[in-house]
Amino acid sequence: GNSVTQMEGPVTLSEEAFLTINCTYTATGYPSLFWYVQYPGEGLQLLLKATKADDKGSNKGFEATYRKETTSFHLEKGSVQVSDSAVYFCALRDSSYKLIFGSGTRLLVRP
Amino acid sequence: NAGVTQTPKFQVLKTGQSMTLQCAQDMNHEYMSWYRQDPGMGLRLIHYSVGAGITDQGEVPNGYNVSRSTTEDFPLRLLSAAPSQTSVYFCASGTGNTGELFFGEGSRLTVL
Repeated sequence: GNSVTQMEGPVTLSEEAFLTINCTYTATGYPSLFWYVQYPGEGLQLLLKATKADDKGSNKGFEATYRKETTSFHLEKGSVQVSDSAVYFCALRDSSYKLIFGSGTRLLVRP
Repeated sequence: NAGVTQTPKFQVLKTGQSMTLQCAQDMNHEYMSWYRQDPGMGLRLIHYSVGAGITDQGEVPNGYNVSRSTTEDFPLRLLSAAPSQTSVYFCASGTGNTGELFFGEGSRLTVL
């Protein structure tokens, strides 16, 4: 079945460091891919998405490129801030409405 | 615009008790769903609905019931609570067009 695998956290970085959070997926067909972010005490909110191969999603300085050949959708940011500290979830959507989430990666950014 | 509203935010139950988690959305979304979030396991889909009168099971449906009598509301019922149901529950809604889900703030349930 469809699944999403994320790198385990926590990921601890200093402010202004470069961020990569790895995400790979297993799916039949051509799923849409998403990154959601969860700030402490809140629900998840959409960060970015890509709907077809080679698409790049971007928002708030974060980017991720849909790589069909490597079945990956890695999240990157060039310079993280303390306010980026949160849990990040990679997810895929197949032909149905349902989203399948990875286990989440906690990011902690130190001043 | 309220978005997705969940109640209650916190609840403590004893084993065997029943309760209902409420979820309402005001965005006229046809799709609604319930997830549970447990440490190290991400979000797992419990039940979902693609419209009023239509519901289906997700990945972990046992011990939970749902109904969808209106577009706006999608309550989740725990019939006989067990400690394994201690979790944070999220309701989410969306449309088929974008695939984006909108989440409520969550309901933290503890079963003793």
